Amino acid sequence: DAGVIQSPRHEVTEMGQEVTLRCKPISGHDYLFWYRQTMMRGLELLIYFNNNVPIDDSGMPEDRFSAKMPNASFSTLKIQPSEPRDSAVYFCASRAKGSGNTIYFGEGSWLTVV
Amino acid sequence: LAKTTQPISMDSYEGQEVNITCSHNNIATNDYITWYQQFPSQGPRFIIQGYKTKVTNEVASLFIPADRKSSTLSLPRVSLSDTAVYYCLVGPASGTYKYIFGTGTRLKVLA
Repeated sequence: DAGVIQSPRHEVTEMGQEVTLRCKPISGHDYLFWYRQTMMRGLELLIYFNNNVPIDDSGMPEDRFSAKMPNASFSTLKIQPSEPRDSAVYFCASRAKGSGNTIYFGEGSWLTVV
Repeated sequence: LAKTTQPISMDSYEGQEVNITCSHNNIATNDYITWYQQFPSQGPRFIIQGYKTKVTNEVASLFIPADRKSSTLSLPRVSLSDTAVYYCLVGPASGTYKYIFGTGTRLKVLA
């Protein structure tokens, strides 16, 4: 049973470039979450979706960040333009309805903006 | 939204039992308590979940007192591989909910 799949695993980009992170949630899960983790700020919830609809994006830091979920099996987190302070690990996670608070995380996308 | 408070770090030795306590004074009636484990370079992983009293699985035990204002994760006979960050998460088990993780407890197991 495949878990949450994220790509790319690692990305190094130059400041000002567009970055797109991708996520495939576990099949059948109807909640999808995007988190960002840094040493300074810990694990931050950026946005989450329910049945492909964004429910709460209050954690998205700036207008440079955007997230979409065009269908139940795919989501993207886009940063445009990227800045060095965006360097972090970005996790995607999903949850099945009725599974309590059991959230399944992907292995993360390690982003470095130079 | 129940706020959680955990110790920032703990040290233990191999073979010892480790207890990590989480305070959640404003827990709601329909909130569950869930613990996650995160190893370096990996995403958090579900360990255990409970509502009241005691829950045990193959990995850990979770103790929840009657007032539910705190909970204790118990790891029996830890090994070096249990070195990780442990997060306590409180929230409803159903419905739309934004899962906000606290700072977690950084457990270091020493040989």
